[in-house]
Formats: sequence, C-alpha cells, structure tokens
Amino acid sequence: SYVLTQPPSVSVAPASTATISCGGDNIGSNSVHWYQQKPGQAPVLVISFDNDRPSGIPERFSGFNSGNTATLTITRVEAGDEADYYCQVWNTRGVFGGGTKLTVL
Amino acid sequence: QVQLVESGGGFVKPGGSLRLSCAASGFMFSDHYMSWIRQAPGKGLEWVSSIITSGDTIYYADSVKGRFTISRDNAMNSLYLQMNSLRTEDTAVYYCATEGGSSSPFDNWGQGTLVTVSS
Repeated sequence: SYVLTQPPSVSVAPASTATISCGGDNIGSNSVHWYQQKPGQAPVLVISFDNDRPSGIPERFSGFNSGNTATLTITRVEAGDEADYYCQVWNTRGVFGGGTKLTVL
Repeated sequence: QVQLVESGGGFVKPGGSLRLSCAASGFMFSDHYMSWIRQAPGKGLEWVSSIITSGDTIYYADSVKGRFTISRDNAMNSLYLQMNSLRTEDTAVYYCATEGGSSSPFDNWGQGTLVTVSS
C-alpha cells in the first residue's frame, strides 16, 4: 500500500517560515492536498491540487510537489498557525500522511 | 453555507454494530462524492470509505472492507456508514466529508461523532 511520510514535528519562531514535507514514491505524479487540524476541531483544507488555496486561506500558505516530495510552506508564521498538518493523496484509495505538529515557539 | 452533521456514535462492545448518519445541507448533495474519515484518539487521520454521486461505485479501506457499508440517500441529503463486527481498533471520531470528484480533496468536513468499542 502507498505510504506518505511526514516529520512528526516542526518548530519555528513567529514571523519565520515553516516548511512541512510529505514523502512518497513518485508523489509528484499525484495531486497532493493539505489539511490543518487544531485541537478539538475538524480538519480544514488549506491547499488542494498541490498549490491551490481554497477561499479564505491566507496567501501565506503555499504548496509544491515534485519527484518524491511534496511540501507545505507557511510564511510569516503566526501563533494561530500552530496545529497538526496532514498531506493526502488518492492512490487507488485515500491515503493520509501521519501528520506533522507545527509548534510556534 | 455547507453543513455536515454526523450522528449515531456511541459505546458498543466488540462484535457489535452501529450505524452512523451524516445530514448534509447548504449545497447540492447529489452532485458530490462523499467520504468517511476517522481519527483514533491521539492519532492521525485515516480514510475509511467513499461513495460517488449515484452510489454505484464505492471504495473501502482494507481495514474495514467486509465489515462496513457506506450508502447514501440523495433525496434525504444523507450519508450513512453501517459498521458491523466492530473491533476495539475501530474506536475513533468519525467524520463525513465532501469530495469534488476523482482525486479531489475533502473540502468540507463535519464535526465528527465518537465511536467507542470496548468490553
């Protein structure tokens, strides 16, 4: 079965840039979607189809996907960005990465 | 606005059954693929099942295939998940979510309903 690998945690200072990776075999041939989940809340889609931002998502959120790695980049990180982030693809079945906890120092 | 409200969760013993429901409003339900996704306590997201607009094509995760059945009633704007032969590892919050179609993201989520399987 297809596996997506994310780092368990990423820590950054406020106003800096956070980069969260999502590794998978030839993931660049798939469309990657990213979700943000804050404690006690349902996930929210923040990036679709590698680098599309849904309405209401700040321009600070962007994505890139090529080769064996997709990345979610958050610029000018704010305290409110602290959350778990999950990547997701379709590969005959729905597949989620294990999630990355973003901590804003 | 899009609203998805799950119900039917609760406490059940191993081997038991539950039926989850998801009431949809604020969008054309019959035009959207729908899915169930779950999250075990303190764990990550796990896709469970998806159903296309007509209900004719259905997909399941290997972990639930043969035990869970997804269905929909487009006239009632509702999605269902019949869960049989429940195991302790099925304990999770179950979310319903909309999909735009093949390879599309889960763009709207409900707040989830908790299923606890324990003896």
